[in-house]
Amino acid sequence: DGGITQSPKYLFRKEGQNVTLSCEQNLNHDAMYWYRQDPGQGLRLIYYSQIVNDFQKGDIAEGYSVSREKKESFPLTVTSAQKNPTAFYLCATTSTATNEKLFFGSGTQLSVL
Amino acid sequence: GENVEQHPSTLSVQEGDSAVIKCTYSDSASNYFPWYKQELGKRPQLIIDIRSNVGEKKDQRIAVTLNKTAKHFSLHITETQPEDSAVYFCAASFSMNYGGSQGNLIFGKGTKLSVKP
Repeated sequence: DGGITQSPKYLFRKEGQNVTLSCEQNLNHDAMYWYRQDPGQGLRLIYYSQIVNDFQKGDIAEGYSVSREKKESFPLTVTSAQKNPTAFYLCATTSTATNEKLFFGSGTQLSVL
Repeated sequence: GENVEQHPSTLSVQEGDSAVIKCTYSDSASNYFPWYKQELGKRPQLIIDIRSNVGEKKDQRIAVTLNKTAKHFSLHITETQPEDSAVYFCAASFSMNYGGSQGNLIFGKGTKLSVKP
């Protein structure tokens, strides 16, 4: 995974349930991002974090929450308020050395039961 | 809001032919333009990028051109091969709340390229 590990690979959510997607990196990168990908669509930014204990909403943050308690970890929770959660979720990082170059994890496919 | 338009949405070429994908962007402050290749079910991978201080960049069979005045940039793949078949995304940087454009990209909707043997 090039130092970015997403788990699980597949996840199923029942109605009304919150689920959490894991993203761990050992690249010592400062910034981490969550993107959502729908078929035929580009990648849309959900949340991003530049430093530990700080994060910002992206374009489609409603129904999602994040935390950044450790530099290595940036979990994404899909809450019951997200009415259309079925999508491919991608975590990414950048380092100050690579500037904008995003490195992606292998993704989590979330589906609704 | 800021936007990136990408065309065409699908492209089919014969092996050995060239493929061209075009993108336009709306934020005149954008200064970084990467291209990602995504194979089915896999993560996007950076294949080439260009900054606003150059007009063209080439890496073997892949090249990117940028016209800042017109706010458009293009990906050119020559001598296409079946393994070039994938979805290609363009992106453009825009300023984040902290200033600068580190990592905050707006993506086009992608082009599905099929290379027929």
